[in-house]
Amino acid sequence: GAGVSQSPRYKVAKRGQDVALRCDPISGHVSLFWYQQALGQGPEFLTYFQNEAQLDKSGLPSDRFFAERPEGSVSTLKIQRTQQEDSAVYLCASSLDGYYGYTFGSGTRLTVV
Amino acid sequence: AQSVTQLGSHVSVSEGALVLLRCNYSSSVPPYLFWYVQYPNQGLQLLLKYTTGATLVKGINGFEAEFKKSETSFHLTKPSAHMSDAAEYFCAVSVPTGANSKLTFGKGITLSVRP
Repeated sequence: GAGVSQSPRYKVAKRGQDVALRCDPISGHVSLFWYQQALGQGPEFLTYFQNEAQLDKSGLPSDRFFAERPEGSVSTLKIQRTQQEDSAVYLCASSLDGYYGYTFGSGTRLTVV
Repeated sequence: AQSVTQLGSHVSVSEGALVLLRCNYSSSVPPYLFWYVQYPNQGLQLLLKYTTGATLVKGINGFEAEFKKSETSFHLTKPSAHMSDAAEYFCAVSVPTGANSKLTFGKGITLSVRP
C-alpha cells in the first residue's frame, strides 16, 4: 500500500486481557519499528525488525510484550495481561533505511480499563 | 547513547509571525536529525531531515532547519505561521549505524497559532 497501515485504530482492553496490534508496512520496506507514545510524551522505541529478524528488542518494557514479523512484512505487537500503564498510542514505522527516513502509521490507541 | 532536548512544552505565536522551535541533541557520532509533526489522533509526518551535506535543510509547508554542530542544535523555523501549523512537533535523532537506525525523540512542543 501507499502508507503504513495499523489496526485497530482504537482498542479498549480490560486489565489482564491480551491484545494484538497489527502493522502493515510499506511494501518493500526492510526495516520495521514499534514505538510507544504515552500521553503528552514523545514516542519511545520498543523494538526493531530487519525483514523477519528481530534485531533489537531492548525497548520492550517487560516480558509481557512480544513482537513478531514472521514473513518479513506484516508485524504484530502482542501485549499479555495488560496493565493500566500499558495505555498509550503504539506507533509502527517502516523504512528502506535510516538515510531515507521513516514512514509512520496512524497508530493504535490502547486504553486499559 | 543519543538524546534530544526540546525546551519548553508549548509555544504560541500570532498568525504571520516567525515560528522558532528549539532542539538540541547529544550524540557520540555524527547524527541524522529529523523534525516530525503530529496532528491530533494522527501519526507522525516527516517535515524535514538532515543526513549529510548542506546544513540548512528545507522541508514541507515552508519549514526549514539548520544543523549547527558547534551548538549541537537543529532548530526549526518558519517565516510566517499559518493557522494550519498548530500541532505537536517532535525533534528526533538517529545514529546512522546502518542496521538499527532507531529514532530517539524529544518530548515534543505544542505549537499554537493565534488569529
